[in-house]
Amino acid sequence: QKEVEQDPGPLSVPEGAIVSLNCTYSNSAFQYFMWYRQYSRKGPELLMYTYSSGNKEDGRFTAQVDKSSKYISLFIRDSQPSDSATYLCAMTLNSGAGSYQLTFGKGTKLSVIP
Amino acid sequence: SQTIHQWPATLVQPVGSPLSLECTVEGTSNPNLYWYRQAAGRGLQLLFYSVGIGQISSEVPQNLSASRPQDRQFILSSKKLLLSDSGFYLCAWRNLGQNNGYTFGSGTRLTVV
Repeated sequence: QKEVEQDPGPLSVPEGAIVSLNCTYSNSAFQYFMWYRQYSRKGPELLMYTYSSGNKEDGRFTAQVDKSSKYISLFIRDSQPSDSATYLCAMTLNSGAGSYQLTFGKGTKLSVIP
Repeated sequence: SQTIHQWPATLVQPVGSPLSLECTVEGTSNPNLYWYRQAAGRGLQLLFYSVGIGQISSEVPQNLSASRPQDRQFILSSKKLLLSDSGFYLCAWRNLGQNNGYTFGSGTRLTVV
């Protein structure tokens, strides 16, 4: 079983739809969770970051963490064509010291159709 | 402000040729630095990371190597490229002690022909 599982899609939705992107993980020691957005032929950019179970909202984006189920989600409300990208979940064990490493999902490719 | 520079953006190299990709970070000191490769359908693969000058940790044995000659400079090299080295190479950094993920460069798309 891979440490982080993420449905690669592709996922195609109409403009204005609510999008749900998900990752599951097997290592219960993961404490910090992130979502990255990657446009075609670009490097990933950090979109959301959270370290506790529950929801964190930033504009049209909501990150949700359920540590008991080892499941994280990213919701996009009122999706726009500019949201079309690959979304990668990432997580890490430690608090930031030493040889800090992120474990990434493989990414979900999202297309928002006008 | 902190920025990361990675070049070149695109590279086409013949099999057996050498490789040198460079990454520099500005506006910070003593960052952790990372080289990743991203292949279609395979996600991000960590190749090397460095916590300081001259300190390199390798995650995947292969014909690539990395060096950190200066605090904010990270170089990925190969003496002889293989077809399987094709991919999208990404450099990333993070501030030591901060737990806010990585900042990635814009990437180098390498095609070995």
